[in-house]
Parts: sequence; structure tokens; C-alpha cells
Amino acid sequence: DADVTQTPRNRITKTGKRIMLECSQTKGHDRMYWYRQDPGLGLRLIYYSFDVKDINKGEISDGYSVSRQAQAKFSLSLESAIPNQTALYFCATSDLGTGKTGELFFGEGSRLTVL
Amino acid sequence: AQSVAQPEDQVNVAEGNPLTVKCTYSVSGNPYLFWYVQYPNRGLQFLLKYITGDNLVKGSYGFEAEFNKSQTSFHLKKPSALVSDSALYFCAVRAPGGGYNKLIFGAGTRLAVHP
Repeated sequence: DADVTQTPRNRITKTGKRIMLECSQTKGHDRMYWYRQDPGLGLRLIYYSFDVKDINKGEISDGYSVSRQAQAKFSLSLESAIPNQTALYFCATSDLGTGKTGELFFGEGSRLTVL
Repeated sequence: AQSVAQPEDQVNVAEGNPLTVKCTYSVSGNPYLFWYVQYPNRGLQFLLKYITGDNLVKGSYGFEAEFNKSQTSFHLKKPSALVSDSALYFCAVRAPGGGYNKLIFGAGTRLAVHP
């Protein structure tokens, strides 16, 4: 089983619909992140959380919200989806202890299409 | 502001030939530099990192990267390419003292290795 699991892996929805992408991890990491990947733009940070009570906006948080339900769970919501939110979304984790010089661990991505 | 550039959208190389994927960066202070690889329908996987020390860093799958401070570059290399190396490669950078919320990714370079 994957250490960082994202659901759903693929989702097609319509403009105006509410969408939730879920992420769970078994790595025991404190820090969790949501990124968006667009062709030619690389990965951009949407939100991040350093522990259950800590939520922070990233580079492109407008139109998104998150919830850290537990250390292992971090969900991303689009309250009213719009077509330019069509993208590949990644959840990632890092260890607080080694987070400053270690690596990020990524889920396999959730492809969202907004029609 | 920190930034990272991957000047080539795609790199084509024949199997068995050496490969180079280029990355240049801009950051205040000594950079932390990373390479990640994304295989089709998968999340990003960590390849290698430069934090301090020897300018030549060795990583997973036979890849290595050379940190060149004067040229502000961190090019990814492999002496002999394999077809299975075909993937999307991301360079990432951040300044020391920040967390992963400060990590900036390049736009990615698609590596195509032909038999």
C-alpha cells in the first residue's frame, strides 16, 4: 500500500459543484501539503499544515480550503469549482524532524476536470 | 525572490548515451537543491539533493547532479540512459532556514530516451 494515498484518483465535475479531495498518510509525518500541477508551470503550493492545529495558505489558495482532520488526514475542498481549477493535484508529507533537509513524499495525484 | 528555471521542455537522448537535464536557480544565500522524477500516472519521487559539502551528488537509479555555485546551476546527469528513465523531471530550490512551504519547483523537463 502507498504511504500517501489520495482519493479520488480521477474526477470529472461541473462548474459550481463542491469537490473534496482526500489525502491520508501512514508515514507518521506532521507536515502535509497540497500542490497543484499544471503543464509548463510545475508544482504550486495551495495550502500546508505543520500539525493538526496549524493551517497556512500557500502561493495559490484562492478558491480552495483545507481541513486537517487528524495527523494522518488532510483534505482539499473546492467550494464552487471552476474550469481553470482543472489540474492534477498532489498531496505530500514531510517529517518535522528532518523536514528542513529531507524530502517530500508525494501521493499519486488526483486528476480533476471541471467542465 | 527565489526562482528555478528548467530551460528545456523536453530532452531527447538515445539509450546508452549520456543525458543531462538542466536547472538554474536564484536564491539568497546557499541553496538547498532537489531533483524529483515523475513517472506516468505516478506522484513525484525524490532522486537526490544538495544541501552542503561535495558539489557532486549521487542519487537513485544511477543519477547524479553537480552543484555549480558560480553558474547557479544544478544539472542532473546520468552516464548511460535507459528507456525506463523516460519521465518528467523537476528541479526544486529553497533558501536555508525555511520550511517546505518555501520550496519552489521548476516547470519540469520531459526526458525521452529512445531505443
